[in-house]
Amino acid sequence: EPEVTQTPSHQVTQMGQEVILRCVPISNHLYFYWYRQILGQKVEFLVSFYNNEISEKSEIFDDQFSVERPDGSNFTLKIRSTKLEDSAMYFCASSHSQGAHNEQFFGPGTRLTVL
Amino acid sequence: AQSVAQPEDQVNVAEGNPLTVKCTYSVSGNPYLFWYVQYPNRGLQFLLKYITGDNLVKGSYGFEAEFNKSQTSFHLKKPSALVSDSALYFCAVRDTLPSGGSYIPTFGRGTSLIVHP
Repeated sequence: EPEVTQTPSHQVTQMGQEVILRCVPISNHLYFYWYRQILGQKVEFLVSFYNNEISEKSEIFDDQFSVERPDGSNFTLKIRSTKLEDSAMYFCASSHSQGAHNEQFFGPGTRLTVL
Repeated sequence: AQSVAQPEDQVNVAEGNPLTVKCTYSVSGNPYLFWYVQYPNRGLQFLLKYITGDNLVKGSYGFEAEFNKSQTSFHLKKPSALVSDSALYFCAVRDTLPSGGSYIPTFGRGTSLIVHP
């Protein structure tokens, strides 16, 4: 069964450093998403991406964040200058469509720790 | 606006007993409701969804959920729990009247289900 994969599984970085989180969505999916979950809190939507552009983003997704689909398979989330409060679990997801019946397929997550 | 609440951080149940994981929601229109499960070191996996029709929805691994419009609830249930059901469970809701055209579901904070042998 096809799966969404994410690398690395755990990333430790110093405050102020740039990080890139990588995701490989399911191959025939067209919509891609990033979510995050701060420990003990809700899963929060960050951004959705379709047709090589951002289709929606939340207020969390500020200028420090960017997304890219550099080739036909990878989908990346970049945090330009990490802050302590960026420490969280980051989930990538993909879906074939964005309709009402849509369910998203999630990767295993990347745990980001900012020191 | 749409929101979802999972009032229990943790649910403990003995193997073989029925389990319930609670979820309540708030939407402006009609809800689309989802349950996902997350096993350790894995991503969220889709379990089941309610879009319309029968209030009792059956999903993967023997789970089912009952949509109750008057109580705005969508509790996840299983008649007989297994130790292997121990995981983190997330409820999600999407409004049929998306504010600003958003199709993004809102997730709850998750409920940890622990099934004791």
